Amino acid sequence: DQQVKQNSPSLSVQEGRISILNCDYTNSMFDYFLWYKKYPAEGPTFLISISSIKDKNEDGRFTVFLNKSAKHLSLHIVPSQPGDSAVYFCAAGGTSYDKVIFGPGTSLSVIP
Amino acid sequence: DTGVSQDPRHKITKRGQNVTFRCDPISEHNRLYWYRQTLGQGPEFLTYFQNEAQLEKSRLLSDRFSAERPKGSFSTLEIQRTEQGDSAMYLCASSLELAGSTGELFFGEGSRLTVL
Repeated sequence: DQQVKQNSPSLSVQEGRISILNCDYTNSMFDYFLWYKKYPAEGPTFLISISSIKDKNEDGRFTVFLNKSAKHLSLHIVPSQPGDSAVYFCAAGGTSYDKVIFGPGTSLSVIP
Repeated sequence: DTGVSQDPRHKITKRGQNVTFRCDPISEHNRLYWYRQTLGQGPEFLTYFQNEAQLEKSRLLSDRFSAERPKGSFSTLEIQRTEQGDSAMYLCASSLELAGSTGELFFGEGSRLTVL
C-alpha cells in the first residue's frame, strides 16, 4: 500500500510562473513531511519540510502548504526557474516511524 | 568532501554473482539508511542502523540481502546470487537523530546495479 502518493508523474511550467506540486498521504500518524529534489545521476537532496502542527512553511521561493484534514500537501515554487527542472519527491515520517517514506515523484520541467 | 559517499557508483554483474556496496556517511551522523530506487519510483526503504545496531529491515529485503555497520561508521550492503530484478539504484543516506528532528536525510549519489 502506497502511503505517500504523487498522482502527477510530470509537470511543465513556463519560466517565471508558479509551479505547484501535489502530494497526498494516507497515514494520519505522520509527524512531518518533506520535499526532496533529485537531478539525474545524483542522490535526492532535501528542499523543505513542514511539521504536522503547522499549515505553511516558507523558504525563499519555496513554500509548502499542509492540509491535514484532507491529508494533502503541496509545494509552490515562485517564480519557477529552469534550474528547478528535476524530479521532486514528497516524503513523510514521524516519531512512530524510524524511516522516511517517499512518494513516486513528479518530474518538473521549467521551460525558458 | 564531507558528504555521504558510496562506492562503486556503477556495477554490472552477471546473474548469480555476489555484489557488495559500501557507504560512508557524514561522520557525526548516528543513523544510516539504505534505500532502493527503480525507474519511475521513489526511493524504497530497505534497512537502517542506529550506530552499529540494525533496527529495522523491510520486507523488500530478501534473505539474499545483508547489511552491516560494524563499528557504527561505514556500512556495506551485500546482495548474494543476484537476480535481474535486483537491478536498481541503491541509495545510502545518513542523519543525526535528535529529539524533535524532522527526518532530514542526506543522500549519497547512489550505486547503480545492472544484473545481466
